[in-house]
Amino acid sequence: DAKTTQPPSMDCAEGRAANLPCNHSTISGNEYVYWYRQIHSQGPQYIIHGLKNNETNEMASLIITEDRKSSTLILPHATLRDTAVYYCIVSVSGTYKYIFGTGTRLKVLA
Amino acid sequence: SQTIHQWPATLVQPVGSPLSLECTVEGTSNPNLYWYRQAAGRGLQLLFYSVGIGQISSEVPQNLSASRPQDRQFILSSKKLLLSDSGFYLCAWSRDLSNQPQHFGDGTRLSIL
Repeated sequence: DAKTTQPPSMDCAEGRAANLPCNHSTISGNEYVYWYRQIHSQGPQYIIHGLKNNETNEMASLIITEDRKSSTLILPHATLRDTAVYYCIVSVSGTYKYIFGTGTRLKVLA
Repeated sequence: SQTIHQWPATLVQPVGSPLSLECTVEGTSNPNLYWYRQAAGRGLQLLFYSVGIGQISSEVPQNLSASRPQDRQFILSSKKLLLSDSGFYLCAWSRDLSNQPQHFGDGTRLSIL
């Protein structure tokens, strides 16, 4: 079973920030949160990951709550090319394994 | 930089035929390697992972097997394909360190007729 919960779909206007939430209430202290996106018929693309501090890179920002039970991926200025399924993943503690859920289908609207 | 290659991109096979999908990684050594399958409209299901040559862990009992004959080569096989083996197969790699992200190939879309 997936260790994360995400809304099945979201819409965002082009040029606005897209905020994608994820709940991971059973996360352990040493487990990281990873975000990927998958555009139709392609392999998932790594976006960002973090443990407890907020993280930012050229693609997105990751905000993790202080209790680490939830996080938000922020795409600061969404474009039509950001339309994809976004997966929030917590690795299985002590292993190299991910368990994927069904993700959030983000549609960026012109 | 590291790259991952999967082939073929698409494959149509009859029921009962054998299967061999190959994945290779360049630009890194001793990677962890993974095979996933994705059914239409679903999330990814981990099938196999490997932390070294000849070391294969199977996550789901099924009609498939995996092998790692070389450090950066990962092969997914079947002796006799079933209709239920249809799907999108993805190979991924990660560094041999904890908490490293996985990086995916472009996948193979397998259709069984």
